[in-house]
Amino acid sequence: EAQVTQNPRYLITVTGKKLTVTCSQNMNHEYMSWYRQDPGLGLRQIYYSMNVEVTDKGDVPEGYKVSRKEKRNFPLILESPSPNQTSLYFCASSLDRGQETQYFGPGTRLLVL
Amino acid sequence: GQQVMQIPQYQHVQEGEDFTTYCNSSTTLSNIQWYKQRPGGHPVFLIQLVKSGEVKKQKRLTFQFGEAKKNSSLHITATQTTDVGTYFCAINDYKLSFGAGTTVTVRA
Repeated sequence: EAQVTQNPRYLITVTGKKLTVTCSQNMNHEYMSWYRQDPGLGLRQIYYSMNVEVTDKGDVPEGYKVSRKEKRNFPLILESPSPNQTSLYFCASSLDRGQETQYFGPGTRLLVL
Repeated sequence: GQQVMQIPQYQHVQEGEDFTTYCNSSTTLSNIQWYKQRPGGHPVFLIQLVKSGEVKKQKRLTFQFGEAKKNSSLHITATQTTDVGTYFCAINDYKLSFGAGTTVTVRA
């Protein structure tokens, strides 16, 4: 089944404790991205990757890191989480960065205390 | 990047009635996409519009792209409880820029 998976689905952590949210897709998509969703703000892009080893900042990259060492995986790293990073995070992928639909993962709900 | 504004933010609809949600931009858009997110779920792609004045239908949903390509609308006829959720428009230039969404609730 074609899908985007994220882990963990729920996470409670404390300020400053490094964490990684994994994202994997099995559709051989080149383009992957991370979004955060906050009430009243819609979805805002954090980082995106057009292919292996190619990543770039989205609209709200501060406090986040990503890597794209393999085509299928695109982990999101929070080196020192802060409470303002409490949010719902979605990973998405598409065939390419052009005008193609994006497929979203199920989401990761993060609470930083 | 380009931005879109969605109105209304909330839409409370009586089952069986019609409603429309709008997406507006101050600049000309190359394309616009619509997504639906059910409560507790993830965004799911509905449709993409590219041409000026384009109209596409999916059962009870009608999507329209304005002649000037600065606005778009989603019209739902005979609303059902299955229509509950948040509808987002999004611009797909090299990154996807979402509007804030219209959250729809339905009164049975």
